[in-house]
Amino acid sequence: EAEVAQSPRYKITEKSQAVAFWCDPISGHATLYWYRQILGQGPELLVQFQDESVVDDSQLPKDRFSAERLKGVDSTLKIQPAELGDSAMYLCASSSRGMRTEAFFGQGTRLTVV
Amino acid sequence: GDSVTQMEGPVTLSEEAFLTINCTYTATGYPSLFWYVQYPGEGLQLLLKATKADDKGSNKGFEATYRKETTSFHLEKGSVQVSDSAVYFCAPLISSGSARQLTFGSGTQLTVLP
Repeated sequence: EAEVAQSPRYKITEKSQAVAFWCDPISGHATLYWYRQILGQGPELLVQFQDESVVDDSQLPKDRFSAERLKGVDSTLKIQPAELGDSAMYLCASSSRGMRTEAFFGQGTRLTVV
Repeated sequence: GDSVTQMEGPVTLSEEAFLTINCTYTATGYPSLFWYVQYPGEGLQLLLKATKADDKGSNKGFEATYRKETTSFHLEKGSVQVSDSAVYFCAPLISSGSARQLTFGSGTQLTVLP
């Protein structure tokens, strides 16, 4: 069964360091999402790609966060510099083209900033 | 703006009890509606979905009916099991500009006791 792959599963980094997360969506899925989930809350969208283009990054803190999906396949989310408040689960999801299709989520990357 | 309101938890039930988790949403038009489940330390898994009014989504004994009159999508299960203990998220697929995104509620923590 096809899955969304994310790495690493866990990451501990020091405040002010750079950190990066990687996501490989289900093959053929044009839409890719990055969500942030703070403990005890629901996921919040950070950025959405359609193929290689960003279609929504309105909630991405652009002073420190960046995201790319250069060839329209896998994607990288970067934080530089990391802050204590960035500690959260970072979830990647993908979906196929279509107006009513569901998104499939990866296992997530648990980030702890110390 | 578009949003989703989910019954607050935590909810604690005994095994074989009846479960209802309420979900209402505000959105333009008639979005597809989803319930996702999240087990500790894991990503989100699609539980069920409904794409148009009066549709009933079902999976693993869980059901939810798309009620456009009340803009609701309540989750039900007739007899819960210990293995159903998890966090449940209601998520309409809402249009945002040219994009369509899952918008999550705060989640409802369910604990089922033997």
